[in-house]
Amino acid sequence: QVQLQESGPGLVKPSETLSLTCTVSGGSISTYYWSWIRQPPGKGLEWIGYIYYSGSTNYNPSLKSRVTISVDTSKNHVSLKLSSVSAADTAVYYCARHSQLWLLTLDYWGQGTLVTVSS
Amino acid sequence: DIQMTQSPSSLSASVGDRVTITCRASQSISNYMNWYQQKPGKAPKLLIYGASSLQSGVPSRFSGSGSGTDFTLTISNLQPEDFATYYCQQSYNPPPTFGGGTKVEIK
Repeated sequence: QVQLQESGPGLVKPSETLSLTCTVSGGSISTYYWSWIRQPPGKGLEWIGYIYYSGSTNYNPSLKSRVTISVDTSKNHVSLKLSSVSAADTAVYYCARHSQLWLLTLDYWGQGTLVTVSS
Repeated sequence: DIQMTQSPSSLSASVGDRVTITCRASQSISNYMNWYQQKPGKAPKLLIYGASSLQSGVPSRFSGSGSGTDFTLTISNLQPEDFATYYCQQSYNPPPTFGGGTKVEIK
């Protein structure tokens, strides 16, 4: 059974860069798409972007100028960087795997990690 | 972006009830509709994909229907473990977009 685990700093200062890693176990990163999604406290879900194992990406236009998603197949890692953060970026950040048959369907999720933006 | 409008935003129901949640897309998405369940402090869990296909391991009391712009998630015989927030999500075009959520509470 594939498992995803997000990790990274829980506190980031305004204007700095948020960096998170998703470690995939129980399966390979290869041949799948992988997404990052976030959820501000008490609010709904917002898709940030996705990456194919080969490295091609697609980002939410609303965040595109600040987002970089990368993949390291040797470590089974998917990484997220979000630059110039503000309090509005405080959220639980999830990584998720895409279904191979329904490409924008998220069939496995990590448990999520809360990132707070504050000085 | 395709906008997803979910209703109601919350509802109260009793164990054993039949519950219906609706989601409307701002344009036709064929059958590219997914439904997720989220419990407090947990990640969303895929329930229904392709508008009506049940994800492996999901109880058969959950069902989905619809096509085009209007979709429904139905929970028949509501169980205590079903009290949660439910989200629709279109998988027709990137960016994948979610509805605002429906919180199902105990009456």
